[in-house]
Amino acid sequence: EAQVTQNPRYLITVTGKKLTVTCSQNMNHEYMSWYRQDPGLGLRQIYYSMNVEVTDKGDVPEGYKVSRKEKRNFPLILESPSPNQTSLYFCASSSRDGNQPQHFGDGTRLSIL
Amino acid sequence: QKEVEQNSGPLSVPEGAIASLNCTYSDRGSQSFFWYRQYSGKSPELIMSIYSNGDKEDGRFTAQLNKASQYVSLLIRDSQPSDSATYLCAVNGNSGGSNYKLTFGKGTLLTMNP
Repeated sequence: EAQVTQNPRYLITVTGKKLTVTCSQNMNHEYMSWYRQDPGLGLRQIYYSMNVEVTDKGDVPEGYKVSRKEKRNFPLILESPSPNQTSLYFCASSSRDGNQPQHFGDGTRLSIL
Repeated sequence: QKEVEQNSGPLSVPEGAIASLNCTYSDRGSQSFFWYRQYSGKSPELIMSIYSNGDKEDGRFTAQLNKASQYVSLLIRDSQPSDSATYLCAVNGNSGGSNYKLTFGKGTLLTMNP
């Protein structure tokens, strides 16, 4: 089954404790992206990757890091999480053709205390 | 800054009626247009994609695109309780050499009147 898998689905943690949210896709997609979704603000792009070792900032990259060492994986790293990073996070992927729709993972709800 | 605008709603329609959802976008170079449905706390799910002017029908859903007016809409016929969700309009631009930038509207909440 074609899918984008995120882990963990839920996480409650404390300020300053480094965390990683993993994202993996099995569709051999070149393009992967991370979004956060907050009430009243909609989906906002954090980082994206157009292929292995190629990443770039989205609209709200501050406080986040990403890496793309393998085509299927695109982890999101919060080096020193803060309460304003409490949000619902989605990973998405699509084929190299930018006109194709993005497929979303099930989401990760992060709470930073 | 590319923008995608949607009425936040809630839009309330009677069961069995036609729901009409609208979206405008600012980037004239946009090439691809998508409608996603999102239930509360769940991930966005693709409903329709449209790439050229006119109508595209898929079951109870019809997407309409007018690039001259920078307007895209989604019609849902025979609305059902399961259609109650937030509908996200997304537009793929082609500016700055990248055609991977997908910009989302904030979504329209659709609810059914029984």
